[in-house]
Amino acid sequence: QKEVEQNSGPLSVPEGAIASLNCTYSDRGSQSFFWYRQYSGKSPELIMSIYSNGDKEDGRFTAQLNKASQYVSLLIRDSQPSDSATYLCAVHPGGSGTYKYIFGTGTRLKVLA
Amino acid sequence: KAGVTQTPRYLIKTRGQQVTLSCSPISGHRSVSWYQQTPGQGLQFLFEYFSETQRNKGNFPGRFSGRQFSNSRSEMNVSTLELGDSALYLCASSEGHISYEQYFGPGTRLTVT
Repeated sequence: QKEVEQNSGPLSVPEGAIASLNCTYSDRGSQSFFWYRQYSGKSPELIMSIYSNGDKEDGRFTAQLNKASQYVSLLIRDSQPSDSATYLCAVHPGGSGTYKYIFGTGTRLKVLA
Repeated sequence: KAGVTQTPRYLIKTRGQQVTLSCSPISGHRSVSWYQQTPGQGLQFLFEYFSETQRNKGNFPGRFSGRQFSNSRSEMNVSTLELGDSALYLCASSEGHISYEQYFGPGTRLTVT
């Protein structure tokens, strides 16, 4: 069973701190990795994609990928109360395999003002 | 570019009825995926269509079906509705061949009474 695992949280961080969200996946053939943010009652919003080992930065967000350890993480710097949401990790096999995205169950982040 | 649109946004149906939901992907996107989201189960994959062909299917009963048209618009149908079908149904589109970045529509909230 190919899986994506996340700690459900809630992860509570004070405003201005760094929030670190983690995700592990079981399929070594996975090629594409995504982070989505979902506010309560809304649909998921794509915030980061990463395809190769290392870090990728976009504004206050940094995605980190380590394929050898089958681990992907999302760092949110200078966390704001508006970042409070559920963060979903998603994995895709790329151009081969099942073309099926596998989502984690999400980590709920609470940024305390 | 316009985003993914879904209609209707809200639906109330009675057990035993059937329902059809519609999704229009981002212009140029050929892949459309459907998901069911409930508070307890998270995002559950229903099926994915690419250029009018179903490429993958999740573990849902045959009451759930879908199709994709030549303009990439997609519909999903649920027949013989059950109370447990009450959920947020999300459609997501991607280019589906080289890029697998997936963008979600606002969802259809289905309530079965």
